[in-house]
Formats: sequence, structure tokens, C-alpha cells
Amino acid sequence: ETGVTQTPRHLVMGMTNKKSLKCEQHLGHNAMYWYKQSAKKPLELMFVYNFKEQTENNSVPSRFSPECPNSSHLFLHLHTLQPEDSALYLCASSHPADEQFFGPGTRLTVL
Amino acid sequence: DQQVKQNSPSLSVQEGRISILNCDYTNSMFDYFLWYKKYPAEGPTFLISISSIKDKNEDGRFTVFLNKSAKHLSLHIVPSQPGDSAVYFCAASLSGGSNYKLTFGKGTLLTVNP
Repeated sequence: ETGVTQTPRHLVMGMTNKKSLKCEQHLGHNAMYWYKQSAKKPLELMFVYNFKEQTENNSVPSRFSPECPNSSHLFLHLHTLQPEDSALYLCASSHPADEQFFGPGTRLTVL
Repeated sequence: DQQVKQNSPSLSVQEGRISILNCDYTNSMFDYFLWYKKYPAEGPTFLISISSIKDKNEDGRFTVFLNKSAKHLSLHIVPSQPGDSAVYFCAASLSGGSNYKLTFGKGTLLTVNP
């Protein structure tokens, strides 16, 4: 497996469910990111981790909880989401101050 | 308020002709700009970038032009090929050691017709 992978690729969940999105990168990068892309909106940066430390939280609601156990893995834990949270969630990684490589995304639908 | 704007949601060109994708930004502090390409069901793929100390960067068929006074950049693809059909995102960031934060435009869907 190479590049940035994300699982699951599609997820449907109810508002009371708890689920997690997983991202893994095999590029030796030290920075990892979560982005959200809603319909007809630009990609929005959610979180940045640099060397496993969270360095950016872009005013994201607490129902989204990131976790970065090591430089290769990034999780986004979801709980009590709202229908408006339905979106494409993209993970990316990079060397510091370098271009970001994106995974294929998880298409999330909240019912 | 959008800091990076791609005002054309879509663009259609003939194979072999030039494609010009435009991007405007409002934050004069941005000093590093990137273009990404996205195919359906895939994540965005880095295409080309330019630093604010330059006004042009070329990589094969792709050239990015930066006009700082107009806060405008453009991506030229010459010659356009059907495989270039994708959504193109413009992104901008502040560098100074932490260009981690990319601000994206909404994207332009390019269709190259055979």
C-alpha cells in the first residue's frame, strides 16, 4: 500500500451513532491534516497534526475528535453528528512546509 | 468571506487548445500558491506551485502565472488533453515555516473535448 489511504470510503450513520474515520500514510511525512468538503463549498481545513501534536483546530465542533497516535496514522472520531455534517472528509499528509498529498476521502452521510 | 475565489465553476475546451483556469485571492499576506487536480472518487493531486517571489512557474504542459498586484493567478495547460478533464483547485497559504494551512477555492471543472 502506498500514498495516503482512508477507510471507510463511504459511511452512513445516524445522529446517535459513534464512528471513526481512519487515515494512514506511507510516505514518511510528519504532518497530517483533516479537511472537510461540503457540497458547493471549498475544502475547509479542520485539524493539523505536526509530529503527532495538534497544531491547528480550525474552530471545529467538539463532536469531531481527532487522534494521532503516531506520524503515520490519523483518526477522526465522530459522535452525535448532525445531517449538515454530511460531506467528503479528506485526509492529507506532508513534510513540513511542503505540498500536501491527499487520500481518496470518506463520503459521510448523516441521517 | 472567501479568501480564494475561482469564479468559473466550469470550463470546456477542445483537445489541443489552451485551457486557462483563473483564481483570485483577497489576502495580500498569502505568499505561496498551489494548484491541485481532482478526479471523481479520488483525492486532490498536487499539480504545480508558485512562490510569491516569482511570477511564472512552468512544468511541462502546465504553467502558473502570478500577478501579485492584481492578486490573481492562472493555470495554463497547453496543449489540453482529454485526460486533463478534472476539477482544478487553487490554494493559497502563508509560509514562513508553516505553510500547513491551505485555503482553497471552490474549484473549476475542466472538460477537454476530443
